[in-house]
This record gives sequence, C-alpha cells and structure tokens, in this order.
Amino acid sequence: EAGVAQSPRYKIIEKRQSVAFWCNPISGHATLYWYQQILGQGPKLLIQFQNNGVVDDSQLPKDRFSAERLKGVDSTLKIQPAKLEDSAVYLCASTGTNTGELFFGEGSRLTVL
Amino acid sequence: AQSVTQLDSHVSVSEGTPVLLRCNYSSSYSPSLFWYVQHPNKGLQLLLKYTSAATLVKGINGFEAEFKKSETSFHLTKPSAHMSDAAEYFCVVRGGGGSGGSYIPTFGRGTSLIVHP
Repeated sequence: EAGVAQSPRYKIIEKRQSVAFWCNPISGHATLYWYQQILGQGPKLLIQFQNNGVVDDSQLPKDRFSAERLKGVDSTLKIQPAKLEDSAVYLCASTGTNTGELFFGEGSRLTVL
Repeated sequence: AQSVTQLDSHVSVSEGTPVLLRCNYSSSYSPSLFWYVQHPNKGLQLLLKYTSAATLVKGINGFEAEFKKSETSFHLTKPSAHMSDAAEYFCVVRGGGGSGGSYIPTFGRGTSLIVHP
C-alpha cells in the first residue's frame, strides 16, 4: 500500500512570494489533514477535509493561506504572500479509520528568507 | 477543549537503560490516545495507540504505554534504550466528538529522546 505522498520536500522562497504544497493521501482515505510544524514545536492543525468538504479550518490564517481538495482525493495548500514566520514543515496526513490513526507524509520543509 | 501535556522537553538516557516519556491529557471520558515517533527529516510514524480496549498497549520496537484514567496519563516506556531510539516523540489525543471532546487529533509539544552510548 502506497503511503501519503507530499511534494516538494524542500522549498526556499523570499518573503512576500507564494508557494504551493501538494499532498496525495492513501487511497480510500476520506479524511485529510494539513499540519504546520514549527521547529521545536508539535504539529498544529491548519485544516481538516472530509472528502472534498472542509471540517475545520479555524486555525488557518485565511488572509494568506488557502487549501483545497476539489475531487476529494489529493489536496493543495497555498501560502500567498509568505512571511518569515511561515518557515516550518507542512505535514499532510490522512485517515480512513474510526480510531483516528493518522498516516503522515514526510512533509514539505519551507524556508522563508 | 482537549489538550496534551508532555512533561519533559528532553529526556536523556544511556543505552540499555529504561526509557520513560511522560504524557498527561485532558479530554472526554473515552479518548483515543497515540504515541508517534519522528526521526530527523522523516515523517511521523505511529508507535502505538489506545482506543478503549486493554489499558496496557504494546507497540513497535519494544515500546509500550499504559492508559491510566484516574491519573489522565498515557506514559510511554521501554525497558532498554537503543541508540536507534533517539528521536522526537509526540503524544496525541483525539476525543469522541461533541461533549466528548474534539475529533481533531491534538499533539503535545514533543519530547526529544537522547540516547548516550
């Protein structure tokens, strides 16, 4: 079974530029999460999708962050314009079980200069 | 609101000695609890999970954790540390929804395990 795929693995941009991250969850997993992990901290939820609908985006900075999952499969997270404090690893996870076990991708590391 | 407190930001042990990583949670009467491990530049991997079955849960690589409802704890242990155990460990809680706490998995801040030769 293929795992959660994320790209790119690494991205360096200057502040005020834009960036997009892509995630393809495990086949059949209806729930998809985007987490932000700042160095030295635990992952913080940005947004949760159930199929192609948003379940929770209360912690997504909507003035600069957007995310979509148009066909209920893969998802894109965009940041525009980026700020220095957006430097972090962006983790995508999916789950298809009632126990809530998350399956993570390897993450996309963003550095904003 | 549910929350997780990992009491130690760093734990340092010698190879071959026991490991104890502490986690306390606040959630519903029937939370699911997880421990994940993250090696440098790698994704998070599930070590073990508690989902209202046996309170002593065994995971991969010799790790286990015990759910203690009276203490709201879910500490992670291993009898003998190995150099390859050096990593970041995260405790995660997920409630049952509604008044039982959020379905959203909530992470602790992490504990860095350092293993000395």
